[in-house]
Amino acid sequence: DAKTTQPTSMDCAEGRAANLPCNHSTISGNEYVYWYRQIHSQGPQYIIHGLKNNETNEMASLIITEDRKSSTLILPHATLRDTAVYYCIVRVEGGGSNYKLTFGKGTLLTVNP
Amino acid sequence: GAGVSQSPSNKVTEKGKDVELRCDPISGHTALYWYRQSLGQGLEFLIYFQGNSAPDKSGLPSDRFSAERTGGSVSTLTIQRTQQEDSAVYLCASSLWSRAGGEQFFGPGTRLTVL
Repeated sequence: DAKTTQPTSMDCAEGRAANLPCNHSTISGNEYVYWYRQIHSQGPQYIIHGLKNNETNEMASLIITEDRKSSTLILPHATLRDTAVYYCIVRVEGGGSNYKLTFGKGTLLTVNP
Repeated sequence: GAGVSQSPSNKVTEKGKDVELRCDPISGHTALYWYRQSLGQGLEFLIYFQGNSAPDKSGLPSDRFSAERTGGSVSTLTIQRTQQEDSAVYLCASSLWSRAGGEQFFGPGTRLTVL
């Protein structure tokens, strides 16, 4: 799987949009971008994923650049409960041994009141 | 619908004892995974089930670790003769077979402490 680079930490004011960047310059054409998060003392939580088109669901939006070398996860109205470590990973969907999830260091997002 | 559930949420045991950790995946999810996460560390893959069979046990740290899955649903991870280095949070995840590559849904984990 391609390597990703994320900032170590970010702060966001409650109610504002949180924009979390991720660089994946070595991404392959068949690799998806996935985002998970882990709130303290909880299991990881799937957020969203995409291939090349922007994606939106009830939790967040994912913006992928046209060259696919970077992406941004957007939490439109951050709440205190969104404080967590956010992981960006790239992987081929399905097949082989790609079921083994591995997380890097991630970004610790702290939402402040 | 119900998510992935795990029990117990916390387990404290003495070195040398056996422990069993249980995972109830999301109904209809044929793929099930066990991971563990030590304090401040990343995810460590343990084993993957497709239905009741485990095509990949490569992550089990030693022969003291075993897992089974019955009825294509509930899975049990057993650790025999526990050691202090087994202390960690044990996480279970499940996914639809067709999406086995990425979208995994995790349970809350079992925090195991070996004294």
